[in-house]
Amino acid sequence: GAVVSQHPSRVICKSGTSVKIECRSLDFQATTMFWYRQFPKKSLMLMATSNEGSKATYEQGVEKDKFLINHASLTLSTLTVTSAHPEDSSFYICSASILWRGPQHGEQYFGPGTRLTVT
Amino acid sequence: GQQVMQIPQYQHVQEGEDFTTYCNSSTTLSNIQWYKQRPGGHPVFLIQLVKSGEVKKQKRLTFQFGEAKKNSSLHITATQTTDVGTYFCAGPNGNKLVFGAGTILRVKS
Repeated sequence: GAVVSQHPSRVICKSGTSVKIECRSLDFQATTMFWYRQFPKKSLMLMATSNEGSKATYEQGVEKDKFLINHASLTLSTLTVTSAHPEDSSFYICSASILWRGPQHGEQYFGPGTRLTVT
Repeated sequence: GQQVMQIPQYQHVQEGEDFTTYCNSSTTLSNIQWYKQRPGGHPVFLIQLVKSGEVKKQKRLTFQFGEAKKNSSLHITATQTTDVGTYFCAGPNGNKLVFGAGTILRVKS
């Protein structure tokens, strides 16, 4: 099946610093990638939709300047958490959709996630 | 906006018992998808249902899509400890997926 990698898997950073998370589709090209945030025992909260070669589409309430998304190629999207604060500590997961086909929506393949802790 | 509701929130079962989680959408869906997230892991795609009234099986898992294409269910027969995890349903909204809150399944051996 489709494989999505995410790096790093865990990161601890100091308050005020920036952290970059990479999401790669390893065996397919993904024109669209999604970035989610997940709190313990909670559902997935979509942060933004990352489109290759264009600006990301952010969900309401998500700060564009704080969560910078770049989708420079068909296999790589990055999320940079700028000026991180302890409240940004969370589990960040990316996903990629293989296919967009008419009334059927392509299933999403998730990366293993990145556990961010801001001290 | 579109909402996807899922119940129950938690379910603890004895190994060997059956388990069902239900999903309801506020709007008619073109399809419904199910994902499983093991503790400490990431969501993994299980299945997609497209047709009204569709029923699909994967070993002990049975997935149903309602006639009105607004609800769905996942039933696990004779649960095993390997079934532990959170089960999410998700419905499309444009090019995005709207996820239900998930049902956390715990299996007591």
